[in-house]
Amino acid sequence: SQTIHQWPATLVQPVGSPLSLECTVEGTSNPNLYWYRQAAGRGLQLLFYSVGIGQISSEVPQNLSASRPQDRQFILSSKKLLLSDSGFYLCAWSPGTGLLQPQHFGDGTRLSIL
Amino acid sequence: QQQVKQSPQSLIVQKGGISIINCAYENTAFDYFPWYQQFPGKGPALLIAIRPDVSEKKEGRFTISFNKSAKQFSLHIMDSQPGDSATYFCAATNDYKLSFGAGTTVTVRA
Repeated sequence: SQTIHQWPATLVQPVGSPLSLECTVEGTSNPNLYWYRQAAGRGLQLLFYSVGIGQISSEVPQNLSASRPQDRQFILSSKKLLLSDSGFYLCAWSPGTGLLQPQHFGDGTRLSIL
Repeated sequence: QQQVKQSPQSLIVQKGGISIINCAYENTAFDYFPWYQQFPGKGPALLIAIRPDVSEKKEGRFTISFNKSAKQFSLHIMDSQPGDSATYFCAATNDYKLSFGAGTTVTVRA
């Protein structure tokens, strides 16, 4: 069966520091991969998605970037964090074959910026 | 701009009662409508999903009703249990992307 891993679970970073969050998927090949941010008590905002290695689409222009160095690895980065980057970051995957497929989420990273 | 509007924001139901969450959309290109359940500190988990050519889908105590002409869909939780207390999100898919509603926090009182 397929599993998705995100780490770290929680992270506290100072303003202006860099960021790297990692997500990996097991048990499937060529998945679609997604990064979301969820503000407290709010819905999910799509940040980036990728349908293949090296292919990244950005939904919201901001202080973050994403990369997909391997088929089942998705990384969210920032060179310099802002206070407004605080939130709950979620990685998700869906099968790469067929469009009418659900997305499956990891357990997220709680990021606090001080 | 929220592409999927969800209501209510929160609801309280007695154990054994029915919880009803409603969602509406405008984009007729949406072609898949999943519902997710999220517990505090966890990622959303897929609960049930429906395609627009189906008017109703039932899985256990959870039922989706879909009205394509009205561009509305809803989740009914029958015989609500305390373990159902969570935040529920409706969503809609266009190509590879999901648009989420703002969420409904359901509290089931014993």
